[in-house]
Amino acid sequence: DAGVIQSPRHEVTEMGQEVTLRCKPISGHDYLFWYRQTMMRGLELLIYFNNNVPIDDSGMPEDRFSAKMPNASFSTLKIQPSEPRDSAVYFCASRLDRSSGNTIYFGEGSWLTVV
Amino acid sequence: AQSVTQLDSHVSVSEGTPVLLRCNYSSSYSPSLFWYVQHPNKGLQLLLKYTSAATLVKGINGFEAEFKKSETSFHLTKPSAHMSDAAEYFCVVSEVRNTGKLIFGQGTTLQVKP
Repeated sequence: DAGVIQSPRHEVTEMGQEVTLRCKPISGHDYLFWYRQTMMRGLELLIYFNNNVPIDDSGMPEDRFSAKMPNASFSTLKIQPSEPRDSAVYFCASRLDRSSGNTIYFGEGSWLTVV
Repeated sequence: AQSVTQLDSHVSVSEGTPVLLRCNYSSSYSPSLFWYVQHPNKGLQLLLKYTSAATLVKGINGFEAEFKKSETSFHLTKPSAHMSDAAEYFCVVSEVRNTGKLIFGQGTTLQVKP
């Protein structure tokens, strides 16, 4: 089984540029999560979707961040405009459903550096 | 609200000696609890999980954890550390009754010395 697939794995961009991170969840999973990891704040939940619908976006830091899930097999996290403080590892994760013991499976992460 | 506290930010052991990574949780309802491991420059991998079945949970790579409700703890142990165990470990709580959103601890870095 293919796991959660994220792209790009590494991205270096200049401040002010738009960044789009992509995620393909595990086939058949109903939930998709976007997390951000930094040294200062650890792992933070940004947003999550259930059946392609955003359920909780309270972790999205500000309006520069947006996330979409146009279908069950694809999601994007967009930062526009990007700032140096957005430099972090962004993880996408997915889960089958609430009855599966809440185990979520993580992708390898997208390592973003904004200079 | 639920929360999780990892009591040690850094643990150092010698290869072949036991590992203990401590985790306390706070939850209004019956929690699901997890341990994830993150090796350098890698994603997070599930080690084990507790979901109200047996209180002693066995995971991959020889790790296990015991759920103690009276102490609100879920400590991770391994009898004998291996060099490949050096990584960051996260204790995670999820409330069964709500959406299942996961709350991560701050992580414990495990160093294994030869």
